[in-house]
Amino acid sequence: GAGVSQSPSNKVTEKGKDVELRCDPISGHTALYWYRQSLGQGLEFLIYFQGNSAPDKSGLPSDRFSAERTGGSVSTLTIQRTQQEDSAVYLCASSLVASGGLTAEQYFGPGTRLTVT
Amino acid sequence: QKEVEQNSGPLSVPEGAIASLNCTYSDRGSQSFFWYRQYSGKSPELIMSIYSNGDKEDGRFTAQLNKASQYVSLLIRDSQPSDSATYLCAVNRNAGGTSYGKLTFGQGTILTVHP
Repeated sequence: GAGVSQSPSNKVTEKGKDVELRCDPISGHTALYWYRQSLGQGLEFLIYFQGNSAPDKSGLPSDRFSAERTGGSVSTLTIQRTQQEDSAVYLCASSLVASGGLTAEQYFGPGTRLTVT
Repeated sequence: QKEVEQNSGPLSVPEGAIASLNCTYSDRGSQSFFWYRQYSGKSPELIMSIYSNGDKEDGRFTAQLNKASQYVSLLIRDSQPSDSATYLCAVNRNAGGTSYGKLTFGQGTILTVHP
């Protein structure tokens, strides 16, 4: 079946502009995650959506970052007033529901490479 | 101490050998453990999950978990050049709340399998 899809695959933007990154999870997956990967920081958690629960935003690095998930499916990560340090690969993952204190297997999309000039 | 630590590598093994990748974690309450493979320029690909102490085998891959020692490893038997990649260990930091989704990743170990 279809995996996680993300768009755009590459985005080049000027410092100070806003960008929107999109993620379409695997059909039937109720949990959706955003991570970013940069050379200096490795792979770091940003935000997690689980069903209708309030999202876990604890990994968002600043208030310039926000994300929403509409209709329990597609998610958009928005970065306002982009800075050069925002340059990274933004990865989306999805999973089935987690239960019993365990974390379900997360499947990653191809990522969006963001370059801020 | 880093939350999740992996051998920095790089690790180089001959084709056909066993590659052993190691990972330690600091949060004793962690309950979910994952190994991902990442080829250069690609996104992480899930190899295996493990939740209970002991071994879990899937084809040429075996994950081993020892919660008392806070240690998880991945063995790759009969290594192939196509196994050359960065291997990421990921751990769920169960903080006792409701957030079971947040994974913390190690920095990765680069594996090279040479013919």
